[in-house]
Amino acid sequence: DADVTQTPRNRITKTGKRIMLECSQTKGHDRMYWYRQDPGLGLRLIYYSFDVKDINKGEISDGYSVSRQAQAKFSLSLESAIPNQTALYFCATSDLASKETQYFGPGTRLLVL
Amino acid sequence: AQSVAQPEDQVNVAEGNPLTVKCTYSVSGNPYLFWYVQYPNRGLQFLLKYITGDNLVKGSYGFEAEFNKSQTSFHLKKPSALVSDSALYFCAVRDEGEYGNKLVFGAGTILRVKS
Repeated sequence: DADVTQTPRNRITKTGKRIMLECSQTKGHDRMYWYRQDPGLGLRLIYYSFDVKDINKGEISDGYSVSRQAQAKFSLSLESAIPNQTALYFCATSDLASKETQYFGPGTRLLVL
Repeated sequence: AQSVAQPEDQVNVAEGNPLTVKCTYSVSGNPYLFWYVQYPNRGLQFLLKYITGDNLVKGSYGFEAEFNKSQTSFHLKKPSALVSDSALYFCAVRDEGEYGNKLVFGAGTILRVKS
C-alpha cells in the first residue's frame, strides 16, 4: 500500500549497532503496528500504538523499542542489534473505520552480521 | 488466546483448476477473520474478511472464503487459479485486548500455480 512507507527498504548492520527503522503513513489512521516476518513463523507483533500517547508491547518486544513521534510516524529501534534479529520488518496501520483491517508497508529487509 | 492454524506449508495447483488454502481458528467469542496475500518483495495486501453475516465472503482478485463455525474453519477459495495467484497467503484473527484489538497471523501457505 503506497500510503504506508518504510525506510530504509534494505539494511545491513553489524552486531551491537543501534539501528532505527521508520514508518510513515498518509492514511490518517490512528493505529500503527510493527511486525517481523521469519520463514515458517508468519508475522509476529513487536509493538503497537493506538494513538500518539499509547505504546504497547506485542508478542516479541525484547530487544526492541518504539517511538510514536506523531500520528503519522512510528519508528522501531534495535538498541543493540544481534544476528537473530535478521528478518523482514513490516509496519501496518488501521483505524476503527477499517474494522480491524490493517494496511501494510512494503517492508524493510534487515541483515545483522 | 486467539490463534489460527494453516495446516499446509505449500499448495500446488494447475492453472484453471479450483484452489483451496486452509485455515482453522481458535477463538473465544465471535471471530473476526482475515486473509492477506504477499507477493515476492512486497508487503501484505488485504484480500477479504469475515465479521458477521453471510458465511461466504467475496474478496479481491476473484477470491472468496467460507466461514464454517462448526468446523472452526475459514478456507480461502478460488474457482479457477491463475499463475499470477502464486504467492504467500496468510490467515489472521482478531485478538481483542483491553485497550484495543490486534491481529494474530498464521504461519502462511505458499501457493504455486503451474501452467
